[in-house]
Amino acid sequence: LAKTTQPISMDSYEGQEVNITCSHNNIATNDYITWYQQFPSQGPRFIIQGYKTKVTNEVASLFIPADRKSSTLSLPRVSLSDTAVYYCLVVPMFSGGYNKLIFGAGTRLAVHP
Amino acid sequence: EPEVTQTPSHQVTQMGQEVILRCVPISNHLYFYWYRQILGQKVEFLVSFYNNEISEKSEIFDDQFSVERPDGSNFTLKIRSTKLEDSAMYFCASSDSREVQETQYFGPGTRLLVL
Repeated sequence: LAKTTQPISMDSYEGQEVNITCSHNNIATNDYITWYQQFPSQGPRFIIQGYKTKVTNEVASLFIPADRKSSTLSLPRVSLSDTAVYYCLVVPMFSGGYNKLIFGAGTRLAVHP
Repeated sequence: EPEVTQTPSHQVTQMGQEVILRCVPISNHLYFYWYRQILGQKVEFLVSFYNNEISEKSEIFDDQFSVERPDGSNFTLKIRSTKLEDSAMYFCASSDSREVQETQYFGPGTRLLVL
């Protein structure tokens, strides 16, 4: 499984755009990039997933360059409620293990007033 | 929106006691998982379950752990003889396909404290 590296923590202010970059140099051809969000004392929550280029949903955008060795989660106009830990995961398709998720330490985002 | 539920939300037990953590996955999901998170640490995979059998388990999931889907709706994790180091948040998750495009939905967790 490809290892992921992301910043331990980030700080931002309400209304700003936040970009969290994750590196996954050893990503394989059949790997997808997936981001989860976790609030304190809650289970992780899926945010967005992509394979290449750009994916956007109502919560975030995910930018993946052509070499796929990194990805950037973009949160537009964050609010205090976006304070959470954000995990970047590389998930192999058809792993045979029914897609167990391997979480790293994540990025702890603190949004300030 | 359908959600995964877990009971109890908190459980305190004495070392050596058996505990059963319960989960109700999303109703049309076929794949079930348990994860745990020790306070301040990473979320760790324990076990995945499909078609009434374990499909994969981690090194953490030793003989003291077992899982069961007793009645077609509940999915349980049993720890036979709890140890202090079993204290953690335990999360159940479910998904409805083995394809990577299918999301795993997590429950709110059970906080287990072993004294």
